[in-house]
Amino acid sequence: GQQLNQSPQSMFIQEGEDVSMNCTSSSIFNTWLWYKQEPGEGPVLLIALYKAGELTSNGRLTAQFGITRKDSFLNISASIPSDVGIYFCAGYSSGSARQLTFGSGTQLTVLP
Amino acid sequence: EAGVAQSPRYKIIEKRQSVAFWCNPISGHATLYWYQQILGQGPKLLIQFQNNGVVDDSQLPKDRFSAERLKGVDSTLKIQPAKLEDSAVYLCAAKTAYEQYFGPGTRLTVT
Repeated sequence: GQQLNQSPQSMFIQEGEDVSMNCTSSSIFNTWLWYKQEPGEGPVLLIALYKAGELTSNGRLTAQFGITRKDSFLNISASIPSDVGIYFCAGYSSGSARQLTFGSGTQLTVLP
Repeated sequence: EAGVAQSPRYKIIEKRQSVAFWCNPISGHATLYWYQQILGQGPKLLIQFQNNGVVDDSQLPKDRFSAERLKGVDSTLKIQPAKLEDSAVYLCAAKTAYEQYFGPGTRLTVT
């Protein structure tokens, strides 16, 4: 099946710092989604991207759909303690439009 | 946003026992998914329903896993008999346009 390579696997940052994480694939994706998952909860949708080059913001979060359609980026500005969690990229590939493929997640820890 | 309810939230069973999970996509969305999420990994699709029908169950271990969706609303996922490697969080999701919204999951521990 499709695979998404998400990096970094984990991050430890100071409160107030900016954060960047990315997701790459060898296949073309038609839709990119970014989720956040906190302990004991299901993933919560943060941002959805539908077109190559699209840049979308949700508060302090900004995500971009890569021009090649094989990657996506998520940036978090001015991190706060409640940003702690696991961030997953996910997407629908051109070859598997019905099945949502997930990355392995980025564990974010924000230090006070 | 689609609200998705799941129960139970936690379940501990011994290997070879049976277990069932329940999902209710509160807003009644037509497309429903079951995922398995093993610790440290992203969710992996087990089965997808469109109304009452199965769209994709290619990754469902059919020798022990089964799922049904009655009247196109609630769904149950069953494991019989459970193995140690089935320990995971089982997530249910409902789909709007492109986005999938997830329930809180059921954490299964098989001992």
